[in-house]
Amino acid sequence: EAGVTQFPSHSVIEKGQTVTLRCDPISGHDNLYWYRRVMGKEIKFLLHFVKESKQDESGMPNNRFLAERTGGTYSTLKVQPAELEDSGVYFCASSPRQEYGYTFGSGTRLTVV
Amino acid sequence: GNSVTQMEGPVTLSEEAFLTINCTYTATGYPSLFWYVQYPGEGLQLLLKATKADDKGSNKGFEATYRKETTSFHLEKGSVQVSDSAVYFCALTSNTGGFKTIFGAGTRLFVKA
Repeated sequence: EAGVTQFPSHSVIEKGQTVTLRCDPISGHDNLYWYRRVMGKEIKFLLHFVKESKQDESGMPNNRFLAERTGGTYSTLKVQPAELEDSGVYFCASSPRQEYGYTFGSGTRLTVV
Repeated sequence: GNSVTQMEGPVTLSEEAFLTINCTYTATGYPSLFWYVQYPGEGLQLLLKATKADDKGSNKGFEATYRKETTSFHLEKGSVQVSDSAVYFCALTSNTGGFKTIFGAGTRLFVKA
């Protein structure tokens, strides 16, 4: 089966610009998660979708971040406007059941300059 | 709240040496425990998991035993190879944490030939 796909793999943008990251989960996985790792620190939870609904968005840092999951399939994470501290690696993961462990995508490395 | 603490790296070993990466956790409820690995240039991969006390997860020669009495899930391998060089993340998912996964900070392992 195809894995979790994320694109772009790398993005370099200027402060104040907008960037949209995309994640395609494994087909049939209702649970989709966004995480990020900033400056080599621990991987932090951003939010969790169950199908198209936001189950938990307690990790979203501020209102510059907007996540959507159209029709319960792929998801996008938009950062607008981007700030320097948003630089890091953004991971998407999916799972058929929450307690099974995740399948991660390769991540998007975002650099804001 | 739930948390995971793992030993700081980097850890540098010679090929065929014994590996231990310590991981302890704090959680309410009945967490499932995981080790994820990130090889250079790749995304996170689930390495092994254990879902209840005294379970042993194993994969690719790595093992970890869920120790409830010491709240630990140490990762071990009897003989490491250069190809094991990667970053290893200990993680937990708890039914009382909304099932989102909490990660440790990661431990970088270098194995020299």
